[in-house]
Amino acid sequence: SQTIHQWPATLVQPVGSPLSLECTVEGTSNPNLYWYRQAAGRGLQLLFYSVGIGQISSEVPQNLSASRPQDRQFILSSKKLLLSDSGFYLCAWTRVGQGNEKLFFGSGTQLSVL
Amino acid sequence: EDKVVQSPLSLVVHEGDTVTLNCSYEVTNFRSLLWYKQEKKAPTFLFMLTSSGIEKKSGRLSSILDKKELSSILNITATQTGDSAIYLCAVYSGGGADGLTFGKGTHLIIQP
Repeated sequence: SQTIHQWPATLVQPVGSPLSLECTVEGTSNPNLYWYRQAAGRGLQLLFYSVGIGQISSEVPQNLSASRPQDRQFILSSKKLLLSDSGFYLCAWTRVGQGNEKLFFGSGTQLSVL
Repeated sequence: EDKVVQSPLSLVVHEGDTVTLNCSYEVTNFRSLLWYKQEKKAPTFLFMLTSSGIEKKSGRLSSILDKKELSSILNITATQTGDSAIYLCAVYSGGGADGLTFGKGTHLIIQP
């Protein structure tokens, strides 16, 4: 069966510090991978998605970047965090092709930038 | 721009009550509508609806899609405290990996 791992679960970082959140998927190959941010009262906002190694699409201009160095690994990064980067970050995956709208989510990272 | 609106945004009821959550959408090319339950961390999948008028059911939860009204409802009967969660509605409009649009969610609180 497929599983998705996301870490860390919580993170407190000072403004201006770097960020690296990691997500890995097991039990499937060539998944679509996603990073979402969830802010209170604002629903899920898609930040990045990837359909393959090295292929990253960004949905919104921002202070963050994403990379996919391996088929089942997706990393969210920042060189210098801003206060506005605080939020709950979710990694997710879908199968490619039919039914690819059904997302499977990781357990999330609560990021507080102080 | 695709849009998904959920109502109410929050709801407090007593255990045993029946609740109905609403989701309406405006999308350019509707393919499917999905419901998720988010208790603390990861949203978990509940239902995917593609055809109008066909109810999907899982225990005390059920959902139905109305393509004419561009909406869906999620019903929960005989609510329990474990049903307390944020319920997310999302609509898939195809077009590839980024074709999913989420609503803001309904925060449901079940009081004992």
